[in-house]
Amino acid sequence: DIQMTQSPSAMSASVGDRVTITCRASQGISNYLAWFQQKPGKVPKRLIYASSSLQSGVPSRFSGSGSGTEFTLTISSLQPEDFATYYCLQHNSFPLTFGGGTKVEIK
Amino acid sequence: QVQLVESGGGVVQPGGSLRLSCAASGFSFSNNGMHWVRQAPGKGLEWVACVWSDGNNKYYADSVKGRFTISKDNSKNMLYLQMNSLRGEDTAVYYCATPLSGNEHYWGQGTLVTVSS
Repeated sequence: DIQMTQSPSAMSASVGDRVTITCRASQGISNYLAWFQQKPGKVPKRLIYASSSLQSGVPSRFSGSGSGTEFTLTISSLQPEDFATYYCLQHNSFPLTFGGGTKVEIK
Repeated sequence: QVQLVESGGGVVQPGGSLRLSCAASGFSFSNNGMHWVRQAPGKGLEWVACVWSDGNNKYYADSVKGRFTISKDNSKNMLYLQMNSLRGEDTAVYYCATPLSGNEHYWGQGTLVTVSS
């Protein structure tokens, strides 16, 4: 099974900060990686698919990059509505696996 | 618009069974595979199972293999998850979701399964 190691597990940041979250796959997954945002009590929302493609309707301050085993989600300028938990998901091979999550909190 | 509506959750005793349903509309259900994903209270997301568009190929997380069965009825636009031999660690909100490839992707609102005596 492919393990997805996500870091950091939690972070504090201020509005306007640039935020970077990383996911490392235990083996190559090409670009079969998605990023999700989840707010408390809400359904997860996909932000990025195919490693770097922005989901329709998602603000352009979100971006994704990477291929193979190293992937990054970047929020260029953190907004109040971005405080949430973020997850990566590999769908290169079964079983699909999520990263452990990154909780982004207000500093 | 795309709608996914889960049902069938509830409280069940350890060792018991439950069948979840997901009613799909607004897209070509018969041409798409589907997923179940779950989230235990206060925990992260866990992928559970996937079924291909024709219902013939199925994949499972190791944690549910042999106990859960995913199926789809293309004539009714319905996705199912039959859960047997339930354990406390199966307590979670269960979501159905559309395929991960492509620029369209949707989740239902989820249904809560509680395994407790």
